Amino acid sequence: DTGVSQDPRHKITKRGQNVTFRCDPISEHNRLYWYRQTLGQGPEFLTYFQNEAQLEKSRLLSDRFSAERPKGSFSTLEIQRTEQGDSAMYLCASTFGNNEQFFGPGTRLTVL
Amino acid sequence: RKEVEQDPGPFNVPEGATVAFNCTYSNSASQSFFWYRQDCRKEPKLLMSVYSSGNEDGRFTAQLNRASQYISLLIRDSKLSDSATYLCVVNYEGSQGNLIFGKGTKLSVKP
Repeated sequence: DTGVSQDPRHKITKRGQNVTFRCDPISEHNRLYWYRQTLGQGPEFLTYFQNEAQLEKSRLLSDRFSAERPKGSFSTLEIQRTEQGDSAMYLCASTFGNNEQFFGPGTRLTVL
Repeated sequence: RKEVEQDPGPFNVPEGATVAFNCTYSNSASQSFFWYRQDCRKEPKLLMSVYSSGNEDGRFTAQLNRASQYISLLIRDSKLSDSATYLCVVNYEGSQGNLIFGKGTKLSVKP
């Protein structure tokens, strides 16, 4: 499968724990985006990388959230000290330039 | 006011019906416009881009009115497989591509 992949697909954690998600974009896509989607809402932009540089962060991205894309390929999104309000689907998308964004299947996070 | 607003759903229609979705956006600097489709518990997928002149792809027709900041999607001869949530999406000049999504409108096509 040469699409965007995300791991894990589901994560259940207890409040206060740290979690890390991984996104593998389509090969040669230079742009990578993270979005968050809660039930009944559309996805909301969190952050964006062009190659390894994180160029934009939404105000939704509190200081408990950090994202990296160290070699300009895969990316990780870490949430520290998780809260129940962090429960959501975390979606990754990639593209080359300003072309169509292709989304991964998402990581569904449940914070108990 | 939300940046992208869509018709509240759900829309329940019989097979073969024509259904229209409307969407308004608040930022006049919006540059690109799209309709995405999202199946239950799946990722969004691009259905079609929306151009100022209007565009058609088979049974699907998208229209854009920049003056009214209004986007529409028309589905003709709806199929059971069209059942999904339809997301209206915009991005702004200089936004570096991050997409602004509406809440989505759920369509359920019944036999």
